[in-house]
Amino acid sequence: AQKITQTQPGMFVQEKEAVTLDCTYDTSDQSYGLFWYKQPSSGEMIFLIYQGSYDEQNATEGRYSLNFQKARKSANLVISASQLGDSAMYFCAMRENMDSNYQLIWGAGTKLIIKP
Amino acid sequence: ETGVTQTPRHLVMGMTNKKSLKCEQHLGHNAMYWYKQSAKKPLELMFVYNFKEQTENNSVPSRFSPECPNSSHLFLHLHTLQPEDSALYLCASSQESTGAAYEQYFGPGTRLTVT
Repeated sequence: AQKITQTQPGMFVQEKEAVTLDCTYDTSDQSYGLFWYKQPSSGEMIFLIYQGSYDEQNATEGRYSLNFQKARKSANLVISASQLGDSAMYFCAMRENMDSNYQLIWGAGTKLIIKP
Repeated sequence: ETGVTQTPRHLVMGMTNKKSLKCEQHLGHNAMYWYKQSAKKPLELMFVYNFKEQTENNSVPSRFSPECPNSSHLFLHLHTLQPEDSALYLCASSQESTGAAYEQYFGPGTRLTVT
């Protein structure tokens, strides 16, 4: 079974609209972390936002926020007021057993295209 | 130089060649990683080094050989590769410590083509 599922292979969004990228995860660990990364066409993976399993509040970083619903095991990324430069691949990733495990488990990604 | 750098950015090699990919991090991190990114597949972790010690090797073929001489430098030595090894190879680093968010910072990648 997949540990990280991103159900949207691609999305088109009008500039300045908000966009939600879906991510669901599967783990039996109590201590885990969830990450979102952006990969522009240049190839570099850019860290956007992090949510720890024990964090009570949803993480926010500028225009990025993470809609963390622990019971549903979902960690959707919300981008407010989208810009043309937001066009990229977006990856959700999870790290289980945080204190002793270095491995990030990655989703297949969502390709986001912002239309002018 | 800041962040994580990788050289070369592009590499074309024949199946009998030997080449090396280089990664350097300027962030003072203590862990470094090699990933393989193939088209339409999730990122695959290849190797992890923590304080220069290899801690994970995810069943990577022996034609890929990592080397970590110090906590700032990481190499991936390549020999007798196959066409299916063509991919984007990404290096990353992180600071592993109690209470940290553990986010990984990536280099720009090396686009490898095996002919």
